[in-house]
Amino acid sequence: NAGVTQTPKFQVLKTGQSMTLQCAQDMNHEYMSWYRQDPGMGLRLIHYSVGAGITDQGEVPNGYNVSRSTTEDFPLRLLSAAPSQTSVYFCASSKSRTSSGNTIYFGEGSWLTVV
Amino acid sequence: AQSVTQLDSQVPVFEEAPVELRCNYSSSVSVYLFWYVQYPNQGLQLLLKYLSGSTLVKGINGFEAEFNKSQTSFHLRKPSVHISDTAEYFCAVSDKGYSTLTFGKGTMLLVSP
Repeated sequence: NAGVTQTPKFQVLKTGQSMTLQCAQDMNHEYMSWYRQDPGMGLRLIHYSVGAGITDQGEVPNGYNVSRSTTEDFPLRLLSAAPSQTSVYFCASSKSRTSSGNTIYFGEGSWLTVV
Repeated sequence: AQSVTQLDSQVPVFEEAPVELRCNYSSSVSVYLFWYVQYPNQGLQLLLKYLSGSTLVKGINGFEAEFNKSQTSFHLRKPSVHISDTAEYFCAVSDKGYSTLTFGKGTMLLVSP
């Protein structure tokens, strides 16, 4: 079972470049989200989606765009990369709300360095 | 809005000793509580979760946590740790009705022989 798949695993970008972090899940999950992890900060929510065509902002959305055209995919776009976006990015998904006892599954992470 | 405080950034402990990792939360609404573990250069793995019912929750790898509503705490415990438990541990909360998490800053558990 693939679960939540993130690509690329490692990426180095120059300041001002754009790129897309891909996230795909094969579990038919409605809910998907993106987090960034920084040392000493834990994980912070960037954007999330409760279904195809529906997205919303999290705690730290600036500099990132998302779209959800299919249930399976939830790409995260960096429009103009900045050194402050150097981080580890995690995609997560769950079948529905946690009130149903559903587990949130995380991908393996994408390490991004902006120079 | 909700927040999570993990009181210790690092907890050093000797192998086979007991350990407690502390977590306090703040929320104006009822929440669900989680503990995740992250091994070096890996993703997050769910250790345990509290949704309702018994306040003592047992998880994987011998870990357990107790939900204390009056103290707004959800401390993680293990009676005897192993070297392989060395990892970073994250406490997280979720508003009921959502599937996003608010994380604490993490506690690094360092187990030495």
